Amino acid sequence: ETGVTQSPTHLIKTRGQQVTLRCSSQSGHNTVSWYQQALGQGPQFIFQYYREEENGRGNFPPRFSGLQFPNYSSELNVNALELDDSALYLCASSLQATSGRRDTQYFGPGTRLTVL
Amino acid sequence: DAKTTQPTSMDCAEGRAANLPCNHSTISGNEYVYWYRQIHSQGPQYIIHGLKNNETNEMASLIITEDRKSSTLILPHATLRDTAVYYCIVRVGNNAGNMLTFGGGTRLMVKP
Repeated sequence: ETGVTQSPTHLIKTRGQQVTLRCSSQSGHNTVSWYQQALGQGPQFIFQYYREEENGRGNFPPRFSGLQFPNYSSELNVNALELDDSALYLCASSLQATSGRRDTQYFGPGTRLTVL
Repeated sequence: DAKTTQPTSMDCAEGRAANLPCNHSTISGNEYVYWYRQIHSQGPQYIIHGLKNNETNEMASLIITEDRKSSTLILPHATLRDTAVYYCIVRVGNNAGNMLTFGGGTRLMVKP
């Protein structure tokens, strides 16, 4: 069984640029959630994707957007990068049954984004 | 989702049991208690979860009080590799959005 993977591991961008982060979900999982973790803080929920549609969003502006693909992998896109976007970006996958039951989320290793 | 309260930090001697408390006095009947840990700069690692009964797996035991207002995560024989931030989270099993709300967690330092 393959766990959650993320790429790239580290990334450096400058203010105003755009960035795309990628996540491959654990095999058998159909739901992907994204979190932002600033230094010294707990992860904060950005949004979740299920069946290729956004299925819940935290308090993040529209310049944070995402996609989910038919193979359940996902992308997080951030436009117009700001210095405060520097953080560890975490992806978590889980299985949502047709009944609506949502199972445990398993996290990937994260992508460290630095905005200069 | 209900809010949780955890001590900011704890120490534990290597080989001894680490008991990490969590208060969740406003927990609802359909909310589960989840524990994750995060070793420095890595993604959070799932440890265990429960609803009302005590649970045990290969990593830890979870003891939930009868009124469900608090719980304790027990690492029976802590090792140096258990040094991490431990997060206690309560969430509804079928809530829309399914987000996990992380608090500050407990920084556990296992000492030789």
